[in-house]
Amino acid sequence: DIQMTQSPSSLSASVGDRVTITCQASQDISNYLNWYQQKPGKAPNLLIYHASNLETGVPSRFSGSGSGTDFTFTISSLQPEDIATYYCQQYDNLPITFGQGTRLEIK
Amino acid sequence: EVQLLESGGGLVQPGGSLRLSCAASGFTFSSYAMTWVRQAPGKGLEWVSSISGSGGSTYYVDSVKGRFTISRDTSKNTLYLQMNSLRAEDTALYYCAKLSGLAAWDPFTAWGQGTTVTVSS
Repeated sequence: DIQMTQSPSSLSASVGDRVTITCQASQDISNYLNWYQQKPGKAPNLLIYHASNLETGVPSRFSGSGSGTDFTFTISSLQPEDIATYYCQQYDNLPITFGQGTRLEIK
Repeated sequence: EVQLLESGGGLVQPGGSLRLSCAASGFTFSSYAMTWVRQAPGKGLEWVSSISGSGGSTYYVDSVKGRFTISRDTSKNTLYLQMNSLRAEDTALYYCAKLSGLAAWDPFTAWGQGTTVTVSS
């Protein structure tokens, strides 16, 4: 199975800050990498697909990059409504696997 | 608007069975693969199973193979997960999700609100 390792596990930042989360795959997954946001008590929501493509309706402050084994998710200017846990997910090989999540809090 | 509504969760004893349902609306059901993802209390997301748009291909995580069966009924626009020989470690919130295309490992573009399964004596 492909292991997905996110860093950090939790993060506290101020409104307006640039926030970066990394995700490392245990083997090359090309760009078969998605990012999801899960707000407290809610279902996950797709933000970025195929490593760098913004899902329709998602604010442009969210972005993704990377390929192979190393990926980055960025919020360019943190907003209060961005409080959530963020997950990366690989879909290059079955079983589909998720990172352990990064909990984002506002300072 | 895409809507996914799960049902069928509940409390079941170890070794018991449950069938989860996911009623879909707002899109052409047969044109998209579907999936089940679970989340144990306080834990992260775990992919459980996927089914292709035609229903002809199914996929499972190893921990549920031989115990869970995914299926779909196009006439009812409904996705199912038959869960047998349930274990305590199957306790979780189970989400159904719509994929972006026919393939069983495309991005998950829409999610339901989940149904809770608790396995306990």
